[in-house]
Amino acid sequence: SQQGEEDPQALSIQEGENATMNCSYKTSINNLQWYRQNSGRGLVHLILIRSNEREKHSGRLRVTLDTSKKSSSLLITASRAADTASYFCATDEGSGGSNYKLTFGKGTLLTVNP
Amino acid sequence: SAVISQKPSRDICQRGTSLTIQCQVDSQVTMMFWYRQQPGQSLTLIATANQGSEATYESGFVIDKFPISRPNLTFSTLTVSNMSPEDSSIYLCSVVLAAGELFFGEGSRLTVL
Repeated sequence: SQQGEEDPQALSIQEGENATMNCSYKTSINNLQWYRQNSGRGLVHLILIRSNEREKHSGRLRVTLDTSKKSSSLLITASRAADTASYFCATDEGSGGSNYKLTFGKGTLLTVNP
Repeated sequence: SAVISQKPSRDICQRGTSLTIQCQVDSQVTMMFWYRQQPGQSLTLIATANQGSEATYESGFVIDKFPISRPNLTFSTLTVSNMSPEDSSIYLCSVVLAAGELFFGEGSRLTVL
């Protein structure tokens, strides 16, 4: 079953602008992760935020997590054409160890126009 | 981090045939995962492959259709059996590291005619 739901489904911006993508989920989680996928290729891990964290930064990326609203946002600042990709949130809702399981949302297709 | 190699990167197959996808990791890992990504869709977990035990399949996926091998801590295979056009997808192998993030192979893009 789908856990994370991103919105918007698609986002088109100009180079230099900021891009914000949102993710909502339904059940309790251990952590939430964001991944990037360039056109039909493998996914690349961007950032992981644990359930007891509220905000995390990595370079031009900023992720927030609101467990009371069961939502997260990914902000990409000063976007570049190379940021064009699909972005997925994924939630880890397992009990750990051999019960590790990551469930992916439907993704946001980001297009950054030069 | 981990480096994951998948073969083949893409293939075109005939209906009714089977294809085996290989996944090689550059380090020993306990858990390996196989995902399917249908065209324009998100990733769906097929199964978890642990070395020395039977793979654990998710709802909607069965061993007869997607047999998995995990002979050692660096290698796994996924077979897509008796293929139909609905099996056309990208199949992705991944591993989890200590911090909890997944590393993915580049995927195997399968087209069934």
